[in-house]
Amino acid sequence: AQKITQTQPGMFVQEKEAVTLDCTYDTSDPSYGLFWYKQPSSGEMIFLIYQGSYDQQNATEGRYSLNFQKARKSANLVISASQLGDSAMYFCAMRERSVDGGATNKLIFGTGTLLAVQP
Amino acid sequence: EAQVTQNPRYLITVTGKKLTVTCSQNMNHEYMSWYRQDPGLGLRQIYYSMNVEVTDKGDVPEGYKVSRKEKRNFPLILESPSPNQTSLYFCASSLRQGQGAKAKNIQYFGAGTRLSVL
Repeated sequence: AQKITQTQPGMFVQEKEAVTLDCTYDTSDPSYGLFWYKQPSSGEMIFLIYQGSYDQQNATEGRYSLNFQKARKSANLVISASQLGDSAMYFCAMRERSVDGGATNKLIFGTGTLLAVQP
Repeated sequence: EAQVTQNPRYLITVTGKKLTVTCSQNMNHEYMSWYRQDPGLGLRQIYYSMNVEVTDKGDVPEGYKVSRKEKRNFPLILESPSPNQTSLYFCASSLRQGQGAKAKNIQYFGAGTRLSVL
């Protein structure tokens, strides 16, 4: 079964430093998508970055980059130059395909990592 | 502004009293989904819809109903809520997978509905 694992329940980082949030996944499907979402204390889910399984390059979006290591089945999120506003829960998710190979768009989520940025 | 709108944002109710959480999107997305978020469990899919009049169960559908009569709306219905349905609920929408080369089909989420069932 497809699964997302986030092993860091919580992390601290100093303002202006870089931080890496870990995510490993398990799937036998050769075609999949990986997503990172941010959930601040206000509760909404904010899309950050996407990596397709066939993408040759690691995805980047501003201060966010995804360290995609396909052989290791890992998709770690790197936040450069942390800001106080980056304090939030971060979820890694994978888009699943149905057993018949069709599209479901269903997202499988990890349990999240709570990031605290310290001044 | 492109958005997914959920109402209400907060709801406290009692066991057995039917309720509906509305979800509306203005992005012309075919795919819509409901998730619930519980501490330590991440988000789990309740129901999803690939298009109008097409709905299917997710991982935790028991105790919930949905309907998709219009493309933009996807309400979540709790016919007889119970305390174990106390949770944070999210509606999400995206384009249907496969549209466009290397389509990302990013799911966009509503702001969430915090439900307490007493």
